Amino acid sequence: DGGITQSPKYLFRKEGQNVTLSCEQNLNHDAMYWYRQDPGQGLRLIYYSQIVNDFQKGDIAEGYSVSREKKESFPLTVTSAQKNPTAFYLCASTSLRKSTEAFFGQGTRLTVV
Amino acid sequence: AQTVTQSQPEMSVQEAETVTLSCTYDTSESDYYLFWYKQPPSRQMILVIRQEAYKQQNATENRFSVNFQKAAKSFSLKISDSQLGDAAMYFCAYNAGGTSYGKLTFGQGTILTVHP
Repeated sequence: DGGITQSPKYLFRKEGQNVTLSCEQNLNHDAMYWYRQDPGQGLRLIYYSQIVNDFQKGDIAEGYSVSREKKESFPLTVTSAQKNPTAFYLCASTSLRKSTEAFFGQGTRLTVV
Repeated sequence: AQTVTQSQPEMSVQEAETVTLSCTYDTSESDYYLFWYKQPPSRQMILVIRQEAYKQQNATENRFSVNFQKAAKSFSLKISDSQLGDAAMYFCAYNAGGTSYGKLTFGQGTILTVHP
């Protein structure tokens, strides 16, 4: 079955460490996105990529980095510069055709300990 | 910048009854897309319904329908014959289309409780 796979489901990080969240899709979608969800809030866009080897900052990119070396993969690194990284992270993908919907992964819960 | 506002942090409904969730948005675009997503306790985001702004007819998907008022920039979701499985967080979302396909701006969410 086609879909988006995020791993791990739960991730614990010590302060000062970088961690990388994985996102893989086999939907042959062109575009991929990372969103952050905090309790009681909607999703906010961190980074997105519409083509391999190219990506753009979203609304809250500070303290995060991404890469898009393959169409299927869009990993997100939460760096030590991110001051409040504890959150739920969702990856999504879309084709770039008109009126497409976004498909989401099941998310990664990151906790700083 | 576009904004999406959901003014109801929580709503509740009796099983088999009807409930309406509200959403307003702000944009200067004339062509765009609006969505309602459901996030159950599993936290998987599920598309409930989609509306294209150029279509005057309100979208309907089984028990789910929308009231799209373009001039008022309002996009409410009506759930008929509510079921226990409808209990979830519901998000209204906006997409500008064009080169921004897939970039979504979300509202804050409404927690829906369904009472048996």
